[in-house]
Amino acid sequence: RKEVEQDPGPFNVPEGATVAFNCTYSNSASQSFFWYRQDCRKEPKLLMSVYSSGNEDGRFTAQLNRASQYISLLIRDSKLSDSATYLCVVRYSSASKIIFGSGTRLSIRP
Amino acid sequence: ETGVTQTPRHLVMGMTNKKSLKCEQHLGHNAMYWYKQSAKKPLELMFVYNFKEQTENNSVPSRFSPECPNSSHLFLHLHTLQPEDSALYLCASSLGLAGATPGGGELFFGEGSRLTVL
Repeated sequence: RKEVEQDPGPFNVPEGATVAFNCTYSNSASQSFFWYRQDCRKEPKLLMSVYSSGNEDGRFTAQLNRASQYISLLIRDSKLSDSATYLCVVRYSSASKIIFGSGTRLSIRP
Repeated sequence: ETGVTQTPRHLVMGMTNKKSLKCEQHLGHNAMYWYKQSAKKPLELMFVYNFKEQTENNSVPSRFSPECPNSSHLFLHLHTLQPEDSALYLCASSLGLAGATPGGGELFFGEGSRLTVL
């Protein structure tokens, strides 16, 4: 079983739709969680951290469920510019143990 | 404009060649990383350096040899590579070792060096 699993997609949704991704992790010692965004042929960039109480940044909402060991990302009112691959990242207490998921591809159509 | 610069952006090499990838960060960070990204696979951590000292070698074959002369520069020396080593090699930096310091978790990536081994 992979340490961090994501649905690879692709998710193909119309502009303005709401879309949600889930990511599951296998190690309960996981400490911190992040969503990164990677555009085609570009480097990954931090989208948002995921806090225990859940957090929101504009149209983006991230949630953490430690009991079920998953995190989620919700995108409301999706824009064409949201088309990208979204990477789930889990960090363990070990300083260099940072695990990336394979990513979920999102394509927003006009 | 990224604070982490990688050169070359593209590299084609034969299996007997020796080449190097270079990474430079202008962010005042103390930790630097090499990641490998192959098609349809997650990013794989290769090496981690903190204050120029290697803290992680993720079972990387010896044909990949990292060098970190100072906190701002990181190299990946390549020799006798295999075609399956063809991938995007991403350098990243963070303020502190991710996990060890508050706020040290965010990784800033360079644009990557796309390597093709013939």
